[in-house]
Amino acid sequence: SQQGEEDPQALSIQEGENATMNCSYKTSINNLQWYRQNSGRGLVHLILIRSNEREKHSGRLRVTLDTSKKSSSLLITASRAADTASYFCATVTGANNLFFGTGTRLTVIP
Amino acid sequence: GAGVSQSPSNKVTEKGKDVELRCDPISGHTALYWYRQSLGQGLEFLIYFQGNSAPDKSGLPSDRFSAERTGGSVSTLTIQRTQQEDSAVYLCASSLGSGHLTNEQYFGPGTRLTVT
Repeated sequence: SQQGEEDPQALSIQEGENATMNCSYKTSINNLQWYRQNSGRGLVHLILIRSNEREKHSGRLRVTLDTSKKSSSLLITASRAADTASYFCATVTGANNLFFGTGTRLTVIP
Repeated sequence: GAGVSQSPSNKVTEKGKDVELRCDPISGHTALYWYRQSLGQGLEFLIYFQGNSAPDKSGLPSDRFSAERTGGSVSTLTIQRTQQEDSAVYLCASSLGSGHLTNEQYFGPGTRLTVT
């Protein structure tokens, strides 16, 4: 399977703390993307990092990619209660389909 | 502007019945994807349409599943003779194109299918 695997499966933190989620995958990729899914809602694209990039920032989000280890991390700084959601990494290989992991359920406690 | 829309939002059907799920992609998006998300699982790719090219059906779990995209816009996912294991949220997504740099996908809210 090309699916990514997120770690941890669930994470609970206090508001204001940083949250780090990790993703590992199995095959070579063209890019890796992170998505957020609020309960009962559709997926929202957060950030895309290409295979030749090592780090990318977007607001309070920081994504790293280590292609030698086939892993990526998503860091959310200064978390807010509104960040409570499930976070998925998705890989894009030679074809144009996204292969998603099982997600990390983040709970930010006010 | 309008995002990806899907209908119905919820569908309860009896085992053995056929169901049709609809997806309206973002106007101008040439690529359309269907995914399935079972409870507690990651998203599972089902099928991908790109322009007028033959669809990539490699993710369809069985021949009971089929999809069409008419006029390069609206898509319908059909599940025949539904089984209980078909119960899941079915998500549709669209993107501008098939190039890797334009592969940002915009997702609809999904259709929750329950087969009783």
